Amino acid sequence: AQSVTQPDIHITVSEGASLELRCNYSYGATPYLFWYVQSPGQGLQLLLKYFSGDTLVQGIKGFEAEFKRSQSSFNLRKPSVHWSDAAEYFCAVGVGRDDKIIFGKGTRLHILP
Amino acid sequence: GAGVSQSPSNKVTEKGKDVELRCDPISGHTALYWYRQSLGQGLEFLIYFQGNSAPDKSGLPSDRFSAERTGGSVSTLTIQRTQQEDSAVYLCASSLEIGPSAQHFGDGTRLSIL
Repeated sequence: AQSVTQPDIHITVSEGASLELRCNYSYGATPYLFWYVQSPGQGLQLLLKYFSGDTLVQGIKGFEAEFKRSQSSFNLRKPSVHWSDAAEYFCAVGVGRDDKIIFGKGTRLHILP
Repeated sequence: GAGVSQSPSNKVTEKGKDVELRCDPISGHTALYWYRQSLGQGLEFLIYFQGNSAPDKSGLPSDRFSAERTGGSVSTLTIQRTQQEDSAVYLCASSLEIGPSAQHFGDGTRLSIL
């Protein structure tokens, strides 16, 4: 069955430090991959998506992610985090043509001043 | 509107009551999804509408849950005889077309069952 694993429930980094959030998926075919961010009390905002082509994907707010088929991973990165990046981040995989998306359980990012 | 609109933003009700949650998708989006987000959990898929096709109800947790989408636009999620375990944030999303396309989310309805 398809699944998405975000191994880190919480991540704490200092403002200005680099960030990498891990995501692994299980899916037999080439997946459609997404990263969403959720600020408190709000819905999910799409950061970036991978459908095909270049495996390094640029998103909004300075985020990028790299699809590595050999590792079944789609890790999210940012070179220098800002206090406003504190939020919960969800990795997701789209399965099949009906657009159903399976979400990971999320990683909560904390930023130290 | 510019984004997915959900109402109410918050709902508090007594156990056993019925509740209706509304979702107004982005104009022109043919697909609409409902998810449930419980505290500390990821998003649990509930139901999916695509155009005039029969909805995919595979995620509905019990027969107390139902949803409809009128005129291919606004959707209502109904929970009958609410239980305390129904307390969660209910998120609606819409997308422009059938796969692959990104889903756009509303801000959710926070449902609290007393």
